Amino acid sequence: SAVISQKPSRDICQRGTSLTIQCQVDSQVTMMFWYRQQPGQSLTLIATANQGSEATYESGFVIDKFPISRPNLTFSTLTVSNMSPEDSSIYLCSVSTENNEKLFFGSGTQLSVL
Amino acid sequence: EDQVTQSPEALRLQEGESSSLNCSYTVSGLRGLFWYRQDPGKGPEFLFTLYSAGEEKEKERLKATLTKKESFLHITAPKPEDSATYLCAVQPILTGGGNKLTFGTGTQLKVEL
Repeated sequence: SAVISQKPSRDICQRGTSLTIQCQVDSQVTMMFWYRQQPGQSLTLIATANQGSEATYESGFVIDKFPISRPNLTFSTLTVSNMSPEDSSIYLCSVSTENNEKLFFGSGTQLSVL
Repeated sequence: EDQVTQSPEALRLQEGESSSLNCSYTVSGLRGLFWYRQDPGKGPEFLFTLYSAGEEKEKERLKATLTKKESFLHITAPKPEDSATYLCAVQPILTGGGNKLTFGTGTQLKVEL
């Protein structure tokens, strides 16, 4: 299994500002994933982050709003830019085993935008 | 488009009262069906992966089963510590790698003394 640390665990932000969420894994992984979990809704994949290449975004998510960095095989960041109250959500980092049999999640970042 | 529907949305059980949670899915070729447990303020915790109809997996008081259209998570003699939200997700067969899971909205389970 993988141990995933996310920071911050929670934050309250003002409209129009940006927040960068960090994700650290205790082992090298090829792919890291960022999910969003809005209140009362299911987890939704934002993007897949591969080391050494641009992140791949899912429909409805764009790089200008959710820029992602993946500088090495154990670390990634997700930035939520120009925030609005609609961005209030839990953001989760996840990694998979090499054969994609298991997907492990970090503890999440609870974001509230005022 | 892949879809996952979980029922019931919420379930309240007495300690020792066995029950089942349902996950109905439609997917363009199933690679795997996942069950997770999520406690408040935490990320989902992996429980099971099922790959083919007829497959069953067990862990303590939990047993997951899979058919071509749905999966069940059976909880036998639950305890208060089993209280959590249980999430189901499907992974489609994709070419070129990737791990896009489609999640349901979960069943919130409360087990009372």
